[in-house]
Amino acid sequence: AQSVAQPEDQVNVAEGNPLTVKCTYSVSGNPYLFWYVQYPNRGLQFLLKYITGDNLVKGSYGFEAEFNKSQTSFHLKKPSALVSDSALYFCAVRDRSGANNLFFGTGTRLTVIP
Amino acid sequence: GAVVSQHPSWVICKSGTSVKIECRSLDFQATTMFWYRQFPKKSLMLMATSNEGSKATYEQGVEKDKFLINHASLTLSTLTVTSAHPEDSSFYICSVLSGITDTQYFGPGTRLTVL
Repeated sequence: AQSVAQPEDQVNVAEGNPLTVKCTYSVSGNPYLFWYVQYPNRGLQFLLKYITGDNLVKGSYGFEAEFNKSQTSFHLKKPSALVSDSALYFCAVRDRSGANNLFFGTGTRLTVIP
Repeated sequence: GAVVSQHPSWVICKSGTSVKIECRSLDFQATTMFWYRQFPKKSLMLMATSNEGSKATYEQGVEKDKFLINHASLTLSTLTVTSAHPEDSSFYICSVLSGITDTQYFGPGTRLTVL
């Protein structure tokens, strides 16, 4: 069975500081991993994904994530947070068995404090 | 990313009526689309996978007779909430799967309120 855990409901960070939003996953075999961001009353926007290759993935708006197979983690990071980064962030996983549906974590609300 | 539209963006209806939500893929033809439901401060719950030209695949616990899905073309999928009740009030989000990037791109969502 596939599952995703985002252990923090809320992350607060000061503007200009680095940010990390945590994600761990459980899936049989090698996963596809995704990060999406949701602004209030909006759909999800794709940020980045890991399929294969380099463990460090760079995405939109300066975000990056590192795939760590041994720790089954895919934490989202950004070197310098902006107030406009404040939003709800979802990690998602998909296995490679053929089914295309995503399994989402419960989301982490990021608040960047000016 | 790809552009996905949903219509309407919000709808208020009376209990017992039916509501249709449209999801359009504007950038590419999508064989596969997905419908999700999101409760306040909660994650997304996959309701069904919509396949062009065939019947949708519903997740366990989702009533197929209540949530009718039609994927009649490669750019349009519709979700009809039949005989809506207040407990159906939610945020409904669709996504389209790009066969090229192997990524789902999401619509802006439709907020349904059933009085």
